[in-house]
Amino acid sequence: DAGITQSPRYKITETGRQVTLMCHQTWSHSYMFWYRQDLGHGLRLIYYSAAADITDKGEVSDGYVVSRSKTENFPLTLESATRSQTSVYFCASTGGPRQTEAFFGQGTRLTVV
Amino acid sequence: LAKTTQPISMDSYEGQEVNITCSHNNIATNDYITWYQQFPSQGPRFIIQGYKTKVTNEVASLFIPADRKSSTLSLPRVSLSDTAVYYCLVGGNQAGTALIFGKGTTLSVSS
Repeated sequence: DAGITQSPRYKITETGRQVTLMCHQTWSHSYMFWYRQDLGHGLRLIYYSAAADITDKGEVSDGYVVSRSKTENFPLTLESATRSQTSVYFCASTGGPRQTEAFFGQGTRLTVV
Repeated sequence: LAKTTQPISMDSYEGQEVNITCSHNNIATNDYITWYQQFPSQGPRFIIQGYKTKVTNEVASLFIPADRKSSTLSLPRVSLSDTAVYYCLVGGNQAGTALIFGKGTTLSVSS
């Protein structure tokens, strides 16, 4: 089925561990984004990518790493997880000429203990 | 992206029309105005997009005055299921444009 999917949906990890959140879209959209959402902060952009092998930092990129070797995948890695990275993470993609029409995944709820 | 300003929260009753206004004084010539809706535990969902005047779809209407420094999302006859956070975004077709969300407007609909 066409769409954008995130995995896992829920993840509990320990402080200091590396964890990777996956995002896959089937539309061949050029642009992909990672956000985190915390109570009282709305959606904050972590990283975005305009195409394969092109990535840029967003508002809150410290502690996160991304890659985009294939157009359809945009994994987000927490190099050494901290409790402050406990959040809900959303991936999005867009590919039309009006780039603000984005489609979001269902989110990954990450808890760092 | 142009910075946007929206009310933090709004309350309404079922059956009423709700208008949420967004200010974007620094909107650029090639920027579009887009609204998203987000329910708890879900990702945002595109509602409507416009450039000028009025746009209407099956969900909402978007009113944009001639100077484009503000826009109003109109939800006709809201129901309890319209309780959500509504975000106003302004952006265009520039390569590398990033989608920046503000805190949005929390709409609470009561019976």
